[in-house]
Amino acid sequence: DTEVTQTPKHLVMGMTNKKSLKCEQHMGHRAMYWYKQKAKKPPELMFVYSYEKLSINESVPSRFSPECPNSSLLNLHLHALQPEDSALYLCASSQVLVGETEAFFGQGTRLTVV
Amino acid sequence: GESVGLHLPTLSVQEGDNSIINCAYSNSASDYFIWYKQESGKGPQFIIDIRSNMDKRQGQRVTVLLNKTVKHLSLQIAATQPGDSAVYFCAENKGAQKLVFGQGTRLTINP
Repeated sequence: DTEVTQTPKHLVMGMTNKKSLKCEQHMGHRAMYWYKQKAKKPPELMFVYSYEKLSINESVPSRFSPECPNSSLLNLHLHALQPEDSALYLCASSQVLVGETEAFFGQGTRLTVV
Repeated sequence: GESVGLHLPTLSVQEGDNSIINCAYSNSASDYFIWYKQESGKGPQFIIDIRSNMDKRQGQRVTVLLNKTVKHLSLQIAATQPGDSAVYFCAENKGAQKLVFGQGTRLTINP
């Protein structure tokens, strides 16, 4: 199994809603990532978990709250988002190695904030 | 500063021709690079990688060249097919699982 599975595929939420994005992998990877991608732009790193601990937070606003409940799952909790947060949210996973870690990506969740 | 960028945002090639997509990087300490392909509505897909102790690596129909002297990376796709239409990103792995993407090149195949 070389897949990273993200749910839901599409999400529309209001600015006062609370929602969660989910990501799952069964490749035994111990690093998991959240990226945000706006239209016609490259993916931008948001968070990295290594061995279920948050290792990188790229100065992401607190309305985005990541959670890694176990080595296979990664969540992104959303609260009080703004319309400019509308984007494709990508989850990825990789082995934890020094310097050489290709990441495998899911298909993304297309988020629209209204 | 540190950045990974691309020379051209779009590239059109004839079906069957070879495609060359370029990427420049500024951090001379970078030691690992990856090319990803992203089709519309999908996540990035790994194509090929290269370490800084190499200057060339070949895969199936793809070749990556690394020129550390001028900090330049290229992806060559042989005999381009319609299925190669996508946005191609070079990415730099800075270690500690920090993967930074360049701006991307959209490859369009003309029949």
